[in-house]
Amino acid sequence: DADVTQTPRNRITKTGKRIMLECSQTKGHDRMYWYRQDPGLGLRLIYYSFDVKDINKGEISDGYSVSRQAQAKFSLSLESAIPNQTALYFCATSDFHGQETQYFGPGTRLLVL
Amino acid sequence: QKEVEQDPGPLSVPEGAIVSLNCTYSNSAFQYFMWYRQYSRKGPELLMYTYSSGNKEDGRFTAQVDKSSKYISLFIRDSQPSDSATYLCAMTYGGATNKLIFGTGTLLAVQP
Repeated sequence: DADVTQTPRNRITKTGKRIMLECSQTKGHDRMYWYRQDPGLGLRLIYYSFDVKDINKGEISDGYSVSRQAQAKFSLSLESAIPNQTALYFCATSDFHGQETQYFGPGTRLLVL
Repeated sequence: QKEVEQDPGPLSVPEGAIVSLNCTYSNSAFQYFMWYRQYSRKGPELLMYTYSSGNKEDGRFTAQVDKSSKYISLFIRDSQPSDSATYLCAMTYGGATNKLIFGTGTLLAVQP
C-alpha cells in the first residue's frame, strides 16, 4: 500500500462549488504539506502543518483552507472554486531530522469549469 | 527574479548519452540541495540529496553543488529510456522551519 494517499485522484467541478481534497499517510510523519503544480510554474506551497495543532500559510494560500484532523490526515478545501485553481495538487509529508526530505502522494488532478 | 531557476526543456537524448541537468539559485543561504524525479502522472520522488558544496554519486547519478556560483547539477550516465521523466531541483535553508523551494522542472526524454 502507498505511504501517502490522496483522494480523489481526479475531480471535475464547476465555478463556485466547494470541494475538499484529502490526504492520508502511514509514514508516521508529523509534517504535512499541500502543493499545487502548474506547467511552467513548478510546485508552489499552499499550506503546511508541522503537527496536529500547527497550520501555516504557504506562498499561495488565498482561496484555500486546510484542516489537520489527525497526525495522519490533512485536507485541503477550495471554498468557492474558480477556473484558475485548475491544477495538479500534491500532498507531501516529512519527518524532520536536520534535513527536509519530503515524500509525495500521487496527486489529484482538478479541473474547474 | 525567481529564487530557483531551471530550464524547462524538453531535453531529448539518445539512449546511453550523458545527461546534464542544471539549476541556478539566488539565495546564498541555501544549504541543502535535492533532486526529485517525477514520472508522468506520478508524484515527485527524491532521487539525490546533497548538503553544502561538493559531489555525491549514486550509481549512474551524480549530484554536484557549487555554492560559489550558486549552481547545482545532476548528471546521468548511460541514460536509459526509463530515465525519461521530469527532474526537479529543490533546496532549503535548513533549520526547524525549513521549507523546500522547487525549480520548475526539466522534462527529459531518452530515446531508445
